[in-house]
Amino acid sequence: ETGVTQTPRHLVMGMTNKKSLKCEQHLGHNAMYWYKQSAKKPLELMFVYSLEERVENNSVPSRFSPECPNSSHLFLHLHTLQPEDSALYLCASSQVFFSSYNEQFFGPGTRLTVL
Amino acid sequence: DAKTTQPTSMDCAEGRAANLPCNHSTISGNEYVYWYRQIHSQGPQYIIHGLKNNETNEMASLIITEDRKSSTLILPHATLRDTAVYYCIVRGSLDSNYQLIWGAGTKLIIKP
Repeated sequence: ETGVTQTPRHLVMGMTNKKSLKCEQHLGHNAMYWYKQSAKKPLELMFVYSLEERVENNSVPSRFSPECPNSSHLFLHLHTLQPEDSALYLCASSQVFFSSYNEQFFGPGTRLTVL
Repeated sequence: DAKTTQPTSMDCAEGRAANLPCNHSTISGNEYVYWYRQIHSQGPQYIIHGLKNNETNEMASLIITEDRKSSTLILPHATLRDTAVYYCIVRGSLDSNYQLIWGAGTKLIIKP
């Protein structure tokens, strides 16, 4: 595997379910990101981890819970979601976080549908 | 944070050069201009970035005006696979931890 991978690619869940999205980067990067992309809206940054520590949490509801067990893996735990949470969830990584130059590499995304 | 303005959509004939404009009139002196693209149902893909000088790589060229208030991404020989949404992004400032500020982008359609 190369680059950034995400599983599952598609997920349908009810509002009472608990599920997790997984992201893995094979680039040796130190920063990882979760983005949300809703229909007809720009990408929204949700969480940032740098060296396995959370450094950004952009006012995301607590029903989204990130976890970064090591620099290669990032999870997004989901519980009691709402239909408006249906979106494409994108994971990205970069060599470092806090830098004026910071190319990000994205995974293919998980298409989430909440019923 | 500097914002960008791009046309909502553009068409280009296959084999021709696609020129995608971007305005970033509030850009500050140390902010880079980045271009990404997103092909349908995929994650965004980095294309190129620049600060002051024109840049070229295997994918595209980036022309930045001398006053840095606008730039143009050039795909020299567009193919059907270049159909995508193209995002022009100026990095946020130190206050926003240099986050990428995403807009709506330009939907580029390459026609046979």
